[in-house]
Amino acid sequence: QSVLTQPPSVSAAPGQKVTIPCSGSSSNIGNNYVSWFQQLPGTAPKLLIYENNKRPSGIPDRFSASKSGTSATLGITGLQTGDEADYYCGTWDSSLSALIFGGGTKLTVL
Amino acid sequence: QVQVVESGGGVVQPGRSLRLSCEASGFAFRTYGMHWARQAPGKGLEWVAVIWFDGSNQYYADSVKGRFTISRDNSKNMLYLQMTSLRAEDTAVYFCARDLTGYHYGLGVWGQGTTVTVSS
Repeated sequence: QSVLTQPPSVSAAPGQKVTIPCSGSSSNIGNNYVSWFQQLPGTAPKLLIYENNKRPSGIPDRFSASKSGTSATLGITGLQTGDEADYYCGTWDSSLSALIFGGGTKLTVL
Repeated sequence: QVQVVESGGGVVQPGRSLRLSCEASGFAFRTYGMHWARQAPGKGLEWVAVIWFDGSNQYYADSVKGRFTISRDNSKNMLYLQMTSLRAEDTAVYFCARDLTGYHYGLGVWGQGTTVTVSS
């Protein structure tokens, strides 16, 4: 069981918006930056968001994220079939002295 | 371009050892922290270890502490993961990743992974 909690799956129609929550605690999300990763089927993970809400170059602005207290949220607008992937949140846990990931959320674009 | 490429995976018997390598290119390797993460078949991501830019600090997941050692050679732009006392549950794709900074800020660029199978 992951220290960071994500729903196992979410789904939405093409063109719609979806949000993926990530819940933690004061020792991780509450006091450290959150990153989000996209893993397309059969590929390596890719950084989508860093420092809670910043996008690396090349990541479209359809992807956004926020953090409030001990929770973080990834948002994707204008859903495309190519967005179907597993999405992971991650952050440092100061109590564990370890980097931790959420369990991952599988996005289905219906 | 910025790239990290893993190698060294394979099939190994339980209790044996294996060393993974990660070759970095396209960036100033000696200024970045480096991580290993893994993904068991059909499972989520699991962070394994990080080493600071100068090798002065390393941190490990509890699941590998005392069995795995992360190290680096900044003169060769190489990252390593020495794995000992391997168990079936260590079977996974192992990813090398560059940190966003010189420390343990977060994972940035990922490699494609190398597969480790622990089986008799």
